[in-house]
Amino acid sequence: SAVISQKPSRDICQRGTSLTIQCQVDSQVTMMFWYRQQPGQSLTLIATANQGSEATYESGFVIDKFPISRPNLTFSTLTVSNMSPEDSSIYLCSVDSLNSQYFGPGTRLTVT
Amino acid sequence: QKEVEQNSGPLSVPEGAIASLNCTYSDRVSQSFFWYRQYSGKSPELIMSIYSNGDKEDGRFTAQLNKASQYVSLLIRDSQPSDSATYLCAVSLGTDKLIFGTGTRLQVFP
Repeated sequence: SAVISQKPSRDICQRGTSLTIQCQVDSQVTMMFWYRQQPGQSLTLIATANQGSEATYESGFVIDKFPISRPNLTFSTLTVSNMSPEDSSIYLCSVDSLNSQYFGPGTRLTVT
Repeated sequence: QKEVEQNSGPLSVPEGAIASLNCTYSDRVSQSFFWYRQYSGKSPELIMSIYSNGDKEDGRFTAQLNKASQYVSLLIRDSQPSDSATYLCAVSLGTDKLIFGTGTRLQVFP
């Protein structure tokens, strides 16, 4: 399986600010995914990021709030914009490898 | 109606017993099924994938799929305290997108 790293691992941010989360994979992958896991909840897909095209967002998530970049086949970023306490969550990137998805270690975000 | 349903638990089993985790899904076009294990404070780890009806075994883990009943299960034999975690069922509709259940918390006591 692919080895995935995320930065930062955790952060505490003030409301109204933005945070950019980085996801790096050790091999080239076509599709990368960004999920959110709110406290005590399961995973919710935010968007799918393909290299060379705009990300595809799921219902309830918009580009202005969660802009995504995918500059190459091993890297992606997710920005959480104009944060509010409701954005406090774990943000996870995942990649598809051999028809299965593997997850990075996650970024624990707390908004105060 | 939730697309992927799991009993939230906790499911408590003694060490050495068989733990049985269940998952139902609503969309009949679902094609791929996955079980993830998530320890507290960690990210999900893929345990098993299953694509066709029947059983698939990997070590102490067996995944069972019944597409007619829209049911997938995970059996853990000889349960160990280290198996204590939340188990997430995920379903793919034939695209790369996964839909996750809410997870079942398993507790294995010595």
